Amino acid sequence: QKEVEQDPGPLSVPEGAIVSLNCTYSNSAFQYFMWYRQYSRKGPELLMYTYSSGNKEDGRFTAQVDKSSKYISLFIRDSQPSDSATYLCAMSTNAGGTSYGKLTFGQGTILTVHP
Amino acid sequence: ETGVTQSPTHLIKTRGQQVTLRCSSQSGHNTVSWYQQALGQGPQFIFQYYREEENGRGNFPPRFSGLQFPNYSSELNVNALELDDSALYLCASSSGQGRTEAFFGQGTRLTVV
Repeated sequence: QKEVEQDPGPLSVPEGAIVSLNCTYSNSAFQYFMWYRQYSRKGPELLMYTYSSGNKEDGRFTAQVDKSSKYISLFIRDSQPSDSATYLCAMSTNAGGTSYGKLTFGQGTILTVHP
Repeated sequence: ETGVTQSPTHLIKTRGQQVTLRCSSQSGHNTVSWYQQALGQGPQFIFQYYREEENGRGNFPPRFSGLQFPNYSSELNVNALELDDSALYLCASSSGQGRTEAFFGQGTRLTVV
């Protein structure tokens, strides 16, 4: 079983829809949670960074973390065609030792927003 | 733009050859990590360098090696290339100041034929 599970999709939604992207994880030591957006043939771009359980909002994006359920989500409101990309969740354990800064990624979800 | 730059952007090598990929980290960042991303998969951690020392390694064989220089730029070397090494290689830098979010470069697309 992978440490981080993410539905690869693909997910296709109309412009203006609310998008929900999700990841589950098995390692309870994960404490830092990130969402990255990756356009085709480009490097991942950091969208959201969270540490604690709860919600964090940034513009049209909301990241949600539920550590008790080992479940994280990214919501995109008023989705735009420019949001079409692969979305990757990533996690890391507390700082220290050889695990410091190592990110464990989900497989990525391919999102297409059509006009 | 993240300020993390990688070179070259594309590379084609023959099986058995050796390759060196380069990364310049974002200003102020002393930690560099390398990831391998196969097509349709999430990035996989190769190793991390912190202040010129290897500080963690993923499940990759010893033919994957690296260096970090005093200016915190880094190299990834892969010996005895195999067809399965074909992937996007990503470099990420972070500040190593108690925060673990990483900023990625655009990647080097390596094709082994």
